[in-house]
Amino acid sequence: AQKVTQAQTEISVVEKEDVTLDCVYETRDTTYYLFWYKQPPSGELVFLIRRNSFDEQNEISGRYSWNFQKSTSSFNFTITASQVVDSAVYFCALSEARGNTDKLIFGTGTRLQVFP
Amino acid sequence: EPEVTQTPSHQVTQMGQEVILRCVPISNHLYFYWYRQILGQKVEFLVSFYNNEISEKSEIFDDQFSVERPDGSNFTLKIRSTKLEDSAMYFCATPSGQGRWGYTFGSGTRLTVV
Repeated sequence: AQKVTQAQTEISVVEKEDVTLDCVYETRDTTYYLFWYKQPPSGELVFLIRRNSFDEQNEISGRYSWNFQKSTSSFNFTITASQVVDSAVYFCALSEARGNTDKLIFGTGTRLQVFP
Repeated sequence: EPEVTQTPSHQVTQMGQEVILRCVPISNHLYFYWYRQILGQKVEFLVSFYNNEISEKSEIFDDQFSVERPDGSNFTLKIRSTKLEDSAMYFCATPSGQGRWGYTFGSGTRLTVV
């Protein structure tokens, strides 16, 4: 069964601290995709990254970095030098590549609060 | 300009009434999805739509739900007889410019059933 677990319900940090959001997934497929989305207080879902199961290279985009480890089925997200604008709910999601159906299975989200 | 526009942004309806939520993608996508997020909870898949047919639906998507593409561009989600538990944010999504496996979500419609 497909499942995404985000064990951290809420994290609070002070500005400029680094923070890591954990994501653990379950799937029986060998081909799949992992995503992170940001949901700010305004409510929209903002795409951050997509990673396919064959690419285990870590990725860095500005203050954001992602650590994909198939051996532990984890796809963790780190924000370096956090800012107040990073305050949001962050969702990790999994998509299994099955023909025309590639729905996203979301985790329960981690609420990040960055205090000035 | 957003890739996906949803209307209305907020709708309040009485229990038992029918509602129609609309989504307009900028590009002429064949793939289309509806998701639901009950307040404070995770985003849940409702239905996927490919080439004018439902390709998959979840357990949530029961007989009171339906999807259509009435005029070749707009996508609609209809809830025939709303219940209190249908109160949620409803998002539509299409494949993003990054390719088939990235998704762009609309800004959502907040449905409140009273």
